[in-house]
Amino acid sequence: EPEVTQTPSHQVTQMGQEVILRCVPISNHLYFYWYRQILGQKVEFLVSFYNNEISEKSEIFDDQFSVERPDGSNFTLKIRSTKLEDSAMYFCASSKGTSKQYFGPGTRLTVT
Amino acid sequence: AQSVTQLGSHVSVSEGALVLLRCNYSSSVPPYLFWYVQYPNQGLQLLLKYTTGATLVKGINGFEAEFKKSETSFHLTKPSAHMSDAAEYFCAVSVDFGNEKLTFGTGTRLTIIP
Repeated sequence: EPEVTQTPSHQVTQMGQEVILRCVPISNHLYFYWYRQILGQKVEFLVSFYNNEISEKSEIFDDQFSVERPDGSNFTLKIRSTKLEDSAMYFCASSKGTSKQYFGPGTRLTVT
Repeated sequence: AQSVTQLGSHVSVSEGALVLLRCNYSSSVPPYLFWYVQYPNQGLQLLLKYTTGATLVKGINGFEAEFKKSETSFHLTKPSAHMSDAAEYFCAVSVDFGNEKLTFGTGTRLTIIP
């Protein structure tokens, strides 16, 4: 079965640094999502992306965050200036719009 | 806005016993409901979903869930637990078909006692 892939699996960065988390969604999917899960907490929606633009974003997704689909295959999440509280597992997901989202294995971001 | 409440952050059952994981939702419009499973160090895998139609839905690995509108519930069950069922289970709700942002519950960690 096709899979969503994410790189890197673990990213360590210093506070204030920029990070880019990368995702390769399933090739014929049209909708793309980022979620995050702070350790011990629930999975939270960050942003959805369709037709090369943001469809919806949560209050977490402030000006420090941005998403991009630069080349028709990758889907990236950029955090411009990381904070300690950005430490979390970040999940990418994609769907064809049939209510089934396929999740990637996640990137664990550690901000020191 | 929609929300999900999962009662019991930790549930332990003996191997072969009934598994019951509870989920209640709140939504102002008809919901789409989901159960996801997360094994250690892995992503989220869809177990089953309810969108419309039959209220008892069957998923993978022998799990099923029943949508009960009057109780605003979508509890997950499995008749006989297996050691491989040990994982974190998340109930989720969405209200849009297409751009379906998922709102998750806090999760239930299921432990199977040999």
